[in-house]
Amino acid sequence: DAGVTQSPTHLIKTRGQHVTLRCSPISGHKSVSWYQQVLGQGPQFIFQYYEKEERGRGNFPDRFSARQFPNYSSELNVNALLLGDSALYLCASSLHGTAYSNQPQHFGDGTRLSIL
Amino acid sequence: SQELEQSPQSLIVQEGKNLTINCTSSKTLYGLYWYKQKYGEGLIFLMMLQKGGEEKSHEKITAKLDEKKQQSSLHITASQPSHAGIYLCGADWSGGSNYKLTFGKGTLLTVNP
Repeated sequence: DAGVTQSPTHLIKTRGQHVTLRCSPISGHKSVSWYQQVLGQGPQFIFQYYEKEERGRGNFPDRFSARQFPNYSSELNVNALLLGDSALYLCASSLHGTAYSNQPQHFGDGTRLSIL
Repeated sequence: SQELEQSPQSLIVQEGKNLTINCTSSKTLYGLYWYKQKYGEGLIFLMMLQKGGEEKSHEKITAKLDEKKQQSSLHITASQPSHAGIYLCGADWSGGSNYKLTFGKGTLLTVNP
């Protein structure tokens, strides 16, 4: 079975532009979470969606938004890009919406976003 | 201040040696997750601990969650070059309301042949 797939793998944008990152969860998984990882740090939680509804939001500005589609795939949108948005964006999927489900989150390989 | 501390930040060991990585939480953990990451790549799930005193093993890696559920350790026995990478611990503090993990900064492990 395919794991979590993310596209594109790499992306270069300039300040002020917007970007859309895409994620397909593992087949059967209904929850998708997005994380931002800057160099030298651990991943930082941005959003979680479960059954197409937002379940959690991290401490990120309103320039960041996301949605989940009926097939459980997800998009992360970032507007008015800043240099500080340069990072590895990771998508994770899980079978259920909470950690109490005893099912781990599985991560994709990420999208490397560089802002010039 | 950092709420989830990992130590050490980096570790260099000779192949065949044992090692331990620690993860300390400032709050009670509902769950503690260990992942491994190769530079610039995604996270690979290793183990998940939810009960105080719980211990899990997979191949040569053992993880424990202490009774008070505020500290976890990851122990690798007879390390191999394939164990090299960044080890990340992730904390679940949400108590089941969602699936939000807070990660430490990671421990960079180098295994010299």
